[in-house]
Amino acid sequence: QVQLQESGPGLVKPSETLSLKCTVSGGSISSDGYYWSWIRQPAGKRPEWIGRIYSTGTTTANYNPSLKSRVTISLDTATNQFSLKLTAVTAADTAVYYCAREMGLNYFNLWGQGTLVTVSS
Amino acid sequence: SYVLTQPPSVSVAPGKTATMTCGGDNIGNKIVHWYQQRPGQAPKLVIFYDTNRPSGIPERFSASNSGNMATLTISRAEPGDEADYYCQVWDSSTDHRVFGGGTSLTVL
Repeated sequence: QVQLQESGPGLVKPSETLSLKCTVSGGSISSDGYYWSWIRQPAGKRPEWIGRIYSTGTTTANYNPSLKSRVTISLDTATNQFSLKLTAVTAADTAVYYCAREMGLNYFNLWGQGTLVTVSS
Repeated sequence: SYVLTQPPSVSVAPGKTATMTCGGDNIGNKIVHWYQQRPGQAPKLVIFYDTNRPSGIPERFSASNSGNMATLTISRAEPGDEADYYCQVWDSSTDHRVFGGGTSLTVL
């Protein structure tokens, strides 16, 4: 079955760029009808949707309005991965970051295990 | 932006019925999804489109949505149901996916 796995640095310095990848295994990232999303969750808090990109990468990504100016999500069909870049990070960006598959009416039916990213000097 | 309100905690005795609420302005006009998150794990979808269970989710899990409140019900609660439960909707005005603050379910 399809599985998702996040990868990337666990520690990022303030003001730098957080970069994560999500590898999709057991299926094609280009399968029609799916969106690929990033969600984060600070310790003890609710999940926060960051943004999403359509499976074919042919449409513009959608972002959380509160993060839109700092976020880029992209798709690489050759490697079956999608990526997150978050610029100018601060301690408030410290969280577990999840990649997830988003279905039609905006629910997430498949999640990666999550990766903790700490912003600290 | 749209706000979802959940009680921080709910307790239930084993074998009894647990009810968790998710409040929002006219939430009955929105589509609600529910997730279960055990400690140290990713959230897991337990209800989608207000009342539907994904494959593998027991029939003990059910939900409803009307007016200003959505409700997740777990009947015959088991110790394995202990987890945080989050409701989630799509806010069409901002194209934003919004999560509630979560309810911690204790089975004791």
